[in-house]
Amino acid sequence: DTGVSQDPRHKITKRGQNVTFRCDPISEHNRLYWYRQTLGQGPEFLTYFQNEAQLEKSRLLSDRFSAERPKGSFSTLEIQRTEQGDSAMYLCASSLRVSTESEAFFGQGTRLTVV
Amino acid sequence: AQKVTQAQTEISVVEKEDVTLDCVYETRDTTYYLFWYKQPPSGELVFLIRRNSFDEQNEISGRYSWNFQKSTSSFNFTITASQVVDSAVYFCALKGSGSRLTFGEGTQLTVNP
Repeated sequence: DTGVSQDPRHKITKRGQNVTFRCDPISEHNRLYWYRQTLGQGPEFLTYFQNEAQLEKSRLLSDRFSAERPKGSFSTLEIQRTEQGDSAMYLCASSLRVSTESEAFFGQGTRLTVV
Repeated sequence: AQKVTQAQTEISVVEKEDVTLDCVYETRDTTYYLFWYKQPPSGELVFLIRRNSFDEQNEISGRYSWNFQKSTSSFNFTITASQVVDSAVYFCALKGSGSRLTFGEGTQLTVNP
């Protein structure tokens, strides 16, 4: 499978716990994005990386959220001290930016439920 | 600021009917890209089409066609002879000079046999 891979697919956690999600992009893609999608809404941008550099963060990304892409390949998104409002689908996408824009390909997402 | 509006929250049709999903966008960027994605019940967003702001040619791909009109800031999507497998949530999205995609709220399409 050469698409975007996310792990885990589902995560149930107690309020206050920390969680970490992983995303493996398409191998030659230099851009990686994280989005959050709540029920009945479109995805909302969280952050993106160009190679290993985190170039943009949304205001949605509070201090409890941190994302890394240490070697410019896979990425992790950590949420500390989870709250019920963090319950959502977390989507990862990747794209190849050379001279022109290309489309982003999405993974199947990690569904987080905070109880 | 960028904004994408999909006014149709839900559409229900009978198989073989044609259906058009509307998308209206707002941006101050002169160069931008428009996209349509399909999200089936499995959850993965599936890319359907990309169109840049300088290319107003309509496009047809099998039963799918897209109508881009800059004058009305619209990028509508038509499915001809709909099938049950077309049932999904469809998202229109916009990328301007920045890196992020701005999505509409989606249209839930249900095709009944």
